[in-house]
Amino acid sequence: EAAVTQSPRNKVAVTGGKVTLSCNQTNNHNNMYWYRQDTGHGLRLIHYSYGAGSTEKGDIPDGYKASRPSQENFSLILELATPSQTSVYFCASGDRQNTLYFGAGTRLSVL
Amino acid sequence: GDSVTQTEGLVTLTKGLPVMLNCTYQTTYSPFLFWYVQHLNEAPKLLLKSSTDNKRTEHQGFYATLHKSSSSFHLQKSSVQLSDSALYFCALSDRTGNYKYVFGAGTRLKVIA
Repeated sequence: EAAVTQSPRNKVAVTGGKVTLSCNQTNNHNNMYWYRQDTGHGLRLIHYSYGAGSTEKGDIPDGYKASRPSQENFSLILELATPSQTSVYFCASGDRQNTLYFGAGTRLSVL
Repeated sequence: GDSVTQTEGLVTLTKGLPVMLNCTYQTTYSPFLFWYVQHLNEAPKLLLKSSTDNKRTEHQGFYATLHKSSSSFHLQKSSVQLSDSALYFCALSDRTGNYKYVFGAGTRLKVIA
């Protein structure tokens, strides 16, 4: 079974603080993705990666950075968190048949 | 740009009835189409996938047919169960090596007894 693990599962941050969301996959998939999920918007792509060392901007990258130091790890970084970034964040890896495998999600609240 | 439209935000049905969740898309390439299901407080997971025109794809009692002529990939089930209550996302991706996905806004299916 494909495995994508996110940490932390829940996070409360202060406005202006730095937040790092981590994602680890044991699937050996090249492609990894960060999405946020908000009611009425579905899943929106923030950043994605084709492999170690690569990061690409998705549809809503403003205010976010990404890092892919290895095949297994893909982080999402909020350098200066804002209340508008309160959301549920999902990491996913994608196989060669384009199927996405999602992590359990991180619920982030920025106060 | 590419887009996926799901017209229903919420569908409420009595168990045992049939359901169809609508999905239409716009793209300039020949895509993969997907349905993902997300149960409450869980991660989305793949339900169905297709890239073949006019071929029915089935899984766990759900089925869908990709119709490129109408750019549609509607999800159907002949008899819904309480356990089918979930959020359903339609999505597309291309096959050129750029694996960027586009998701619809999602349809919440609520099945009542």
